[in-house]
Amino acid sequence: GAVVSQHPSRVICKSGTSVKIECRSLDFQATTMFWYRQFPKQSLMLMATSNEGSKATYEQGVEKDKFLINHASLTLSTLTVTSAHPEDSSFYICSAFGVPTEAFFGQGTRLTVV
Amino acid sequence: GESVGLHLPTLSVQEGDNSIINCAYSNSASDYFIWYKQESGKGPQFIIDIRSNMDKRQGQRVTVLLNKTVKHLSLQIAATQPGDSAVYFCAENGTDKLIFGTGTRLQVFP
Repeated sequence: GAVVSQHPSRVICKSGTSVKIECRSLDFQATTMFWYRQFPKQSLMLMATSNEGSKATYEQGVEKDKFLINHASLTLSTLTVTSAHPEDSSFYICSAFGVPTEAFFGQGTRLTVV
Repeated sequence: GESVGLHLPTLSVQEGDNSIINCAYSNSASDYFIWYKQESGKGPQFIIDIRSNMDKRQGQRVTVLLNKTVKHLSLQIAATQPGDSAVYFCAENGTDKLIFGTGTRLQVFP
């Protein structure tokens, strides 16, 4: 089946630095990808919809200047957490719709800001 | 609907028993529903899906039931095994994006 690859799987960074997370669709083209955030013992919260060649659509309450999304190609979307703070520590997950409408998920990225 | 930060409810079952996990969805216009399994530290894994023109769909050891009248979805796992222990989420496809339910932790004991 379709595969979505997310990198890195774990990252530790210092407060104030920026971190980039990549999401790739390996065997299909994805004009739309989705970024989720998950806190421990909680559900996945949709952060934004990444659209190839256009601006991302952010959910209410998500700071677009804080979480920069770039979807420069049909197989790659990136999420950059800028000026990271400890409260940004979380599990970030990307997904993309394959054919016909099944959503495939990346392995997730555990971000720890110290 | 969207999670509001609640701790996950837990369902404990004995190995070999059947499990039923329930989910209420929020958008009556949603036409596609999916159940996912998530193991610790990993992304969600597709289990089974169902469209709104159906009320039941069966897979291998799993069955999904959809009741559109009360906006309720359930996942039945037959002969539950230790490997089924995980967190299970339902998701609804509303306006071309997946919105996840709160989730249920399934614990299987011998």
